[in-house]
Amino acid sequence: KAGVTQTPRYLIKTRGQQVTLSCSPISGHRSVSWYQQTPGQGLQFLFEYFSETQRNKGNFPGRFSGRQFSNSRSEMNVSTLELGDSALYLCASTRLPGLNEQYFGPGTRLTVT
Amino acid sequence: AQTVTQSQPEMSVQEAETVTLSCTYDTSESDYYLFWYKQPPSRQMILVIRQEAYKQQNATENRFSVNFQKAAKSFSLKISDSQLGDAAMYFCAYTPNTGNQFYFGTGTSLTVIP
Repeated sequence: KAGVTQTPRYLIKTRGQQVTLSCSPISGHRSVSWYQQTPGQGLQFLFEYFSETQRNKGNFPGRFSGRQFSNSRSEMNVSTLELGDSALYLCASTRLPGLNEQYFGPGTRLTVT
Repeated sequence: AQTVTQSQPEMSVQEAETVTLSCTYDTSESDYYLFWYKQPPSRQMILVIRQEAYKQQNATENRFSVNFQKAAKSFSLKISDSQLGDAAMYFCAYTPNTGNQFYFGTGTSLTVIP
């Protein structure tokens, strides 16, 4: 069974631009969570989607948004990029929300210049 | 508030020796799950071990075992016979059994000395 995939793996953007990251969960997994990982803050929860609905949201500004499609694939979007948005963005999937361990993708390394 | 604390930013261990990584958490829930994840330099986060709070028996996976102290809200990871491949960032994580989000600690960077 294929693991969680994330595209693109690396991305360089400039301040003010917007970016869209994609995550395909493990087949059969319907819950997708997104995290921002930075050296100083560790993993910060962004949001979780299940059955195309956002179930939980972390403490991030409205510039961060996401969605989930009927095939469980998920995208997250960051608008008006800031230098502080530079981070590794990790996606994780589970079969059902919260009841099982999360399986992580390799991440997308976003650099904002 | 539900928080996970890893008080050791960095640890080191001699190859073949044993090391223990500490984790404490704060929750008012009685039913939850705890995890240790490993993130090698390649960045793929891998599940190491998981513990259900209702189980008194400590989880074990080969060379990895935990010391789960529910009353103390402590969840430490012991790595026996450390190998070079164990070098990684280790994250402790918690999720309540209510289908809500995962909470992660800030991580412990483990170095294995040959």
